[in-house]
Amino acid sequence: GAVVSQHPSWVICKSGTSVKIECRSLDFQATTMFWYRQFPKQSLMLMATSNEGSKATYEQGVEKDKFLINHASLTLSTLTVTSAHPEDSSFYICSASLPLYEQYFGPGTRLTVT
Amino acid sequence: QKEVEQNSGPLSVPEGAIASLNCTYSDRVSQSFFWYRQYSGKSPELIMSIYSNGDKEDGRFTAQLNKASQYVSLLIRDSQPSDSATYLCAVTRNTGFQKLVFGTGTRLLVSP
Repeated sequence: GAVVSQHPSWVICKSGTSVKIECRSLDFQATTMFWYRQFPKQSLMLMATSNEGSKATYEQGVEKDKFLINHASLTLSTLTVTSAHPEDSSFYICSASLPLYEQYFGPGTRLTVT
Repeated sequence: QKEVEQNSGPLSVPEGAIASLNCTYSDRVSQSFFWYRQYSGKSPELIMSIYSNGDKEDGRFTAQLNKASQYVSLLIRDSQPSDSATYLCAVTRNTGFQKLVFGTGTRLLVSP
C-alpha cells in the first residue's frame, strides 16, 4: 500500500515553455500533498503544501506564480512550472499523506530546461 | 542552528556490522520522527517512523528516540552493501499538516 506515482519521470523542455508534473496517490486518498525540489547533493526543500479543494501554501522564497499547484482531487495534484529557465532544472518530488500519518514519496520527476 | 542536524558522512562500515546513524533536532515540541533512505537519483523511501520515547524495531532496523535530549537514531544491524545510501532524518513541525523538516542526510557506505 501507500503508492504514489509521478508523471513524467523525466522531461526536457526549452527555456520559456511550461511543464506540468502530475502526482497521484494510487491506493489511498491523500488529504495533503507536498511538493519538494532537490538539487544535486542537497537535501529536499519543501516548495508547497496542498490540500484538496483549497489553494496551496507556498514556502518562503517560492514564487507562487511560477510554480502553479492544483490539487483537484484526493488522489491528484499537479505542479506546473511556468516559463521555465535553466535554473529551474532540478529533481521535483511529490509526497502524499493522510492526517497524522507518514508521508509517502513519488518516484520524482527530473526536469532539464535547455 | 539548523532545525535538524545530521553528520553528512560518509559513514563507512564493513558488511555484517552495525551502522549507527544519528540526528538531533532543535524544536522541542516536534512530534513525529522519521527515517528515510534515498538511493542516488531516486526519491526517499520511508524506513521507520517513531513517535514516543524508546526503541522501535522493524527487521534489521531499530529507531531510538530521546525527546529530553532531542535526539533520534537509526541502527542497522547486519549491514549489507545494498544498504549503501543516504539516510535522511525528518521531523514534523508542530502544525496540522505534518510538514516534514529534513536533515541534510548521512551517506552510508557498506563495504563487502
